[in-house]
Amino acid sequence: GAVVSQHPSWVICKSGTSVKIECRSLDFQATTMFWYRQFPKQSLMLMATSNEGSKATYEQGVEKDKFLINHASLTLSTLTVTSAHPEDSSFYICSARGPDWGYGYTFGSGTRLTVV
Amino acid sequence: DAKTTQPPSMDCAEGRAANLPCNHSTISGNEYVYWYRQIHSQGPQYIIHGLKNNETNEMASLIITEDRKSSTLILPHATLRDTAVYYCIVATIIQGAQKLVFGQGTRLTINP
Repeated sequence: GAVVSQHPSWVICKSGTSVKIECRSLDFQATTMFWYRQFPKQSLMLMATSNEGSKATYEQGVEKDKFLINHASLTLSTLTVTSAHPEDSSFYICSARGPDWGYGYTFGSGTRLTVV
Repeated sequence: DAKTTQPPSMDCAEGRAANLPCNHSTISGNEYVYWYRQIHSQGPQYIIHGLKNNETNEMASLIITEDRKSSTLILPHATLRDTAVYYCIVATIIQGAQKLVFGQGTRLTINP
Protein backbone atom coordinates (compact mmCIF):
# COMPACT_ATOMS: atom_id res chain seq x y z
CA GLY A 1 0.00 0.00 0.00
CA ALA A 2 0.78 3.72 0.07
CA VAL A 3 1.75 4.11 -3.59
CA VAL A 4 2.22 7.53 -5.15
CA SER A 5 2.18 7.74 -8.92
CA GLN A 6 3.74 10.67 -10.75
CA HIS A 7 3.20 11.47 -14.41
CA PRO A 8 4.90 12.07 -16.74
CA SER A 9 8.24 10.57 -15.77
CA TRP A 10 10.01 12.88 -18.18
CA VAL A 11 9.03 15.77 -20.41
CA ILE A 12 10.76 18.10 -22.83
CA CYS A 13 9.14 21.43 -23.60
CA LYS A 14 9.98 24.65 -25.38
CA SER A 15 10.75 27.89 -23.55
CA GLY A 16 7.64 29.89 -22.84
CA THR A 17 5.27 26.96 -22.71
CA SER A 18 3.60 25.48 -19.63
CA VAL A 19 3.94 21.95 -18.32
CA LYS A 20 1.64 20.11 -15.94
CA ILE A 21 2.87 17.33 -13.65
CA GLU A 22 0.40 15.04 -11.89
CA CYS A 23 0.81 13.34 -8.54
CA ARG A 24 -1.71 10.69 -7.53
CA SER A 25 -2.11 8.65 -4.38
CA LEU A 26 -3.25 5.30 -5.76
CA ASP A 27 -4.50 3.40 -2.76
CA PHE A 28 -5.07 6.00 -0.10
CA GLN A 29 -6.41 9.48 0.37
CA ALA A 30 -3.91 12.26 0.84
CA THR A 31 -5.13 15.52 2.30
CA THR A 32 -1.58 16.88 2.16
CA MET A 33 0.99 16.48 -0.60
CA PHE A 34 4.40 18.07 -1.00
CA TRP A 35 6.32 19.19 -4.07
CA TYR A 36 10.11 19.14 -4.25
CA ARG A 37 12.68 20.13 -6.84
CA GLN A 38 16.11 18.59 -7.20
CA PHE A 39 18.99 19.86 -9.31
CA PRO A 40 21.81 17.51 -10.36
CA LYS A 41 24.04 16.38 -7.50
CA GLN A 42 21.98 18.36 -5.01
CA SER A 43 19.48 17.46 -2.34
CA LEU A 44 15.73 17.81 -2.59
CA MET A 45 14.39 21.30 -2.03
CA LEU A 46 10.87 21.65 -0.69
CA MET A 47 8.84 23.96 -2.93
CA ALA A 48 5.35 23.90 -1.48
CA THR A 49 2.77 22.09 0.60
CA SER A 50 -0.42 21.21 -1.21
CA ASN A 51 -3.61 20.96 0.81
CA GLU A 52 -6.80 19.45 -0.58
CA GLY A 53 -9.44 22.10 -1.11
CA SER A 54 -7.30 25.07 -0.16
CA LYS A 55 -4.43 27.15 -1.43
CA ALA A 56 -0.94 25.73 -1.43
CA THR A 57 1.67 27.02 0.98
CA TYR A 58 4.88 27.98 -0.78
CA GLU A 59 8.35 27.98 0.71
CA GLN A 60 10.28 31.20 0.80
CA GLY A 61 11.74 32.10 -2.56
CA VAL A 62 9.39 29.93 -4.62
CA GLU A 63 7.28 31.92 -7.08
CA LYS A 64 3.67 30.88 -6.63
CA ASP A 65 2.60 32.45 -9.92
CA LYS A 66 5.17 30.40 -11.77
CA PHE A 67 4.59 27.10 -10.02
CA LEU A 68 0.83 26.65 -9.85
CA ILE A 69 -0.39 23.93 -7.54
CA ASN A 70 -3.88 22.50 -7.55
CA HIS A 71 -5.09 19.86 -5.12
CA ALA A 72 -8.69 19.42 -6.17
CA SER A 73 -9.27 15.93 -4.81
CA LEU A 74 -7.99 13.67 -2.07
CA THR A 75 -5.97 11.65 -4.56
CA LEU A 76 -4.61 14.19 -7.02
CA SER A 77 -2.32 17.19 -6.85
CA THR A 78 -0.92 18.92 -9.92
CA LEU A 79 2.07 21.21 -10.39
CA THR A 80 2.06 23.45 -13.45
CA VAL A 81 5.29 25.14 -14.42
CA THR A 82 4.15 28.22 -16.32
CA SER A 83 6.19 30.02 -18.97
CA ALA A 84 9.00 27.55 -18.50
CA HIS A 85 12.62 28.60 -19.04
CA PRO A 86 15.78 26.50 -19.28
CA GLU A 87 16.62 27.28 -15.64
CA ASP A 88 13.40 25.49 -14.65
CA SER A 89 14.88 22.26 -15.96
CA SER A 90 15.05 19.99 -12.95
CA PHE A 91 13.79 16.81 -11.31
CA TYR A 92 10.40 17.43 -9.70
CA ILE A 93 9.17 15.04 -7.02
CA CYS A 94 5.93 14.86 -5.09
CA SER A 95 5.15 13.11 -1.83
CA ALA A 96 2.11 12.32 0.24
CA ARG A 97 1.54 11.21 3.78
CA GLY A 98 0.50 7.59 3.96
CA PRO A 99 -2.71 6.34 5.54
CA ASP A 100 -1.05 6.06 8.91
CA TRP A 101 2.27 7.02 10.41
CA GLY A 102 3.66 3.56 9.85
CA TYR A 103 4.12 4.44 6.20
CA GLY A 104 5.93 7.69 6.77
CA TYR A 105 5.75 9.83 3.67
CA THR A 106 5.63 8.16 0.27
CA PHE A 107 7.34 9.75 -2.70
CA GLY A 108 6.55 9.60 -6.37
CA SER A 109 9.16 8.44 -8.86
CA GLY A 110 9.81 11.99 -10.04
CA THR A 111 9.48 13.94 -13.28
CA ARG A 112 12.53 15.01 -15.27
CA LEU A 113 11.71 18.35 -16.93
CA THR A 114 13.94 19.67 -19.66
CA VAL A 115 13.17 23.08 -21.12
CA VAL A 116 14.80 23.79 -24.47
CA ASP B 1 12.89 22.16 11.79
CA ALA B 2 16.06 20.90 13.46
CA LYS B 3 19.15 20.73 11.31
CA THR B 4 20.85 17.39 10.76
CA THR B 5 24.51 16.66 10.11
CA GLN B 6 25.63 13.59 8.21
CA PRO B 7 28.98 12.53 6.76
CA PRO B 8 28.96 13.25 3.01
CA SER B 9 30.06 9.76 2.05
CA MET B 10 30.71 6.30 3.43
CA ASP B 11 31.84 2.95 2.10
CA CYS B 12 30.86 -0.49 3.31
CA ALA B 13 31.69 -4.01 2.19
CA GLU B 14 28.91 -6.16 0.84
CA GLY B 15 27.47 -8.45 3.49
CA ARG B 16 28.64 -6.30 6.37
CA ALA B 17 26.51 -4.02 8.51
CA ALA B 18 26.34 -0.42 7.36
CA ASN B 19 26.06 2.08 10.21
CA LEU B 20 25.08 5.57 9.13
CA PRO B 21 25.32 8.29 11.78
CA CYS B 22 23.27 11.45 12.07
CA ASN B 23 23.58 14.35 14.48
CA HIS B 24 20.50 16.38 15.33
CA SER B 25 21.60 18.18 18.48
CA THR B 26 18.84 20.82 18.30
CA ILE B 27 15.99 18.34 18.03
CA SER B 28 12.97 19.19 20.15
CA GLY B 29 10.67 16.89 22.06
CA ASN B 30 7.98 16.49 19.43
CA GLU B 31 10.24 16.03 16.42
CA TYR B 32 10.52 12.64 14.75
CA VAL B 33 13.63 11.25 13.11
CA TYR B 34 13.06 9.93 9.58
CA TRP B 35 15.42 8.07 7.29
CA TYR B 36 14.99 7.93 3.54
CA ARG B 37 17.24 6.86 0.73
CA GLN B 38 17.41 7.88 -2.89
CA ILE B 39 18.80 5.75 -5.64
CA HIS B 40 19.95 7.71 -8.65
CA SER B 41 17.15 9.47 -10.56
CA GLN B 42 14.37 7.95 -8.45
CA GLY B 43 12.10 9.33 -5.75
CA PRO B 44 13.20 8.89 -2.13
CA GLN B 45 12.28 5.61 -0.47
CA TYR B 46 11.06 5.50 3.11
CA ILE B 47 13.22 3.37 5.39
CA ILE B 48 12.23 3.93 9.00
CA HIS B 49 11.31 6.59 11.52
CA GLY B 50 11.18 6.98 15.29
CA LEU B 51 10.61 9.40 18.12
CA LYS B 52 12.64 8.19 21.08
CA ASN B 53 12.63 4.41 21.14
CA ASN B 54 14.79 2.24 18.92
CA GLU B 55 12.93 0.88 15.94
CA THR B 56 13.41 -2.08 13.64
CA ASN B 57 11.67 -3.15 10.46
CA GLU B 58 12.42 -5.44 7.56
CA MET B 59 14.80 -2.92 6.02
CA ALA B 60 16.80 -1.49 8.89
CA SER B 61 17.18 -0.60 12.53
CA LEU B 62 17.15 2.88 13.98
CA ILE B 63 19.07 3.57 17.16
CA ILE B 64 18.30 6.90 18.84
CA THR B 65 20.47 8.04 21.73
CA GLU B 66 18.82 8.66 25.06
CA ASP B 67 19.26 12.44 24.76
CA ARG B 68 17.91 12.20 21.16
CA LYS B 69 20.72 14.35 19.84
CA SER B 70 21.95 11.71 17.45
CA SER B 71 20.85 8.52 15.77
CA THR B 72 22.27 5.68 13.72
CA LEU B 73 20.67 3.83 10.86
CA ILE B 74 21.83 0.23 10.61
CA LEU B 75 21.52 -1.84 7.47
CA PRO B 76 22.35 -5.27 8.92
CA HIS B 77 23.61 -7.04 5.80
CA ALA B 78 24.37 -4.53 3.10
CA THR B 79 23.99 -5.51 -0.54
CA LEU B 80 25.06 -3.73 -3.73
CA ARG B 81 21.46 -2.54 -4.14
CA ASP B 82 21.80 -0.54 -0.94
CA THR B 83 24.13 1.89 -2.71
CA ALA B 84 22.25 5.20 -2.50
CA VAL B 85 22.13 8.61 -0.83
CA TYR B 86 20.71 8.27 2.68
CA TYR B 87 18.91 11.20 4.24
CA CYS B 88 18.31 11.72 7.94
CA ILE B 89 15.49 14.18 8.55
CA VAL B 90 13.83 15.54 11.64
CA ALA B 91 10.33 16.83 11.26
CA THR B 92 7.71 18.33 13.47
CA ILE B 93 3.99 18.59 13.03
CA ILE B 94 2.95 21.91 11.53
CA GLN B 95 -0.77 22.52 11.12
CA GLY B 96 -1.58 18.84 11.21
CA ALA B 97 1.16 17.70 8.84
CA GLN B 98 4.84 17.05 9.12
CA LYS B 99 7.08 18.83 6.69
CA LEU B 100 10.20 16.96 5.61
CA VAL B 101 13.16 19.18 4.83
CA PHE B 102 16.09 17.30 3.31
CA GLY B 103 19.74 17.95 4.13
CA GLN B 104 22.67 16.85 2.01
CA GLY B 105 22.60 13.21 3.07
CA THR B 106 25.29 10.52 3.05
CA ARG B 107 26.29 8.85 -0.17
CA LEU B 108 26.72 5.19 0.80
CA THR B 109 28.66 2.95 -1.54
CA ILE B 110 28.54 -0.79 -1.03
CA ASN B 111 31.63 -2.48 -2.41
CA PRO B 112 31.77 -6.09 -3.59
